[in-house]
Amino acid sequence: DARVTQTPRHKVTEMGQEVTMRCQPILGHNTVFWYRQTMMQGLELLAYFRNRAPLDDSGMPKDRFSAEMPDATLATLKIQPSEPRDSAVYFCASGLVPTERGAFLFGPGTRLTVL
Amino acid sequence: ILNVEQSPQSLHVQEGDSTNFTCSFPSSNFYALHWYRWETAKSPEALFVMTLNGDEKKKGRISATLNTKEGYSYLYIKGSQPEDSATYLCAPPAHNNNDMRFGAGTRLTVKP
Repeated sequence: DARVTQTPRHKVTEMGQEVTMRCQPILGHNTVFWYRQTMMQGLELLAYFRNRAPLDDSGMPKDRFSAEMPDATLATLKIQPSEPRDSAVYFCASGLVPTERGAFLFGPGTRLTVL
Repeated sequence: ILNVEQSPQSLHVQEGDSTNFTCSFPSSNFYALHWYRWETAKSPEALFVMTLNGDEKKKGRISATLNTKEGYSYLYIKGSQPEDSATYLCAPPAHNNNDMRFGAGTRLTVKP
């Protein structure tokens, strides 16, 4: 079965450090989402790409977060500088739009701890 | 931003009970509704993609119905088992059919 992969699975870093999370979407999927798991809001949408073009990143703190998709096999989410409040599990998901074409598949997540 | 509401927020049932919960969404410009099951410490897992008014889908003991005219979908679990304990999320993609914003979910706990 095709899977979405994410690296690293766990990351512990100190406040102020740069963090880069990577996602390999499923080949052929045209849309990639980045989500953050929060206690209050469940799955918070941070950003998404369609055919590698960024469509919406309004869910991200712009001053410190950035998302890119340098090629069809890689999506990245970067935090610089990181803060303790960024500690969370970050998920990416890939799928096809129009969304009635099928479900989106989630990666296993990156658990980030910022000390 | 699409307004998605899920109710109840949490639910505790006994093993063997049947249960159901609701996802409500604006009925205009409907494209599809996605249901996901999210177990603690795991990633969300797709259950159903529903597209047509009156759709009913089933996977084992779990089934879902869709009413696009009134803007709701029900998820049913028949004979709940402890392994059904999870948060159930729904996402009706936004009118431009591009983003997937989830409701807050219904957290189900099934007691043995």
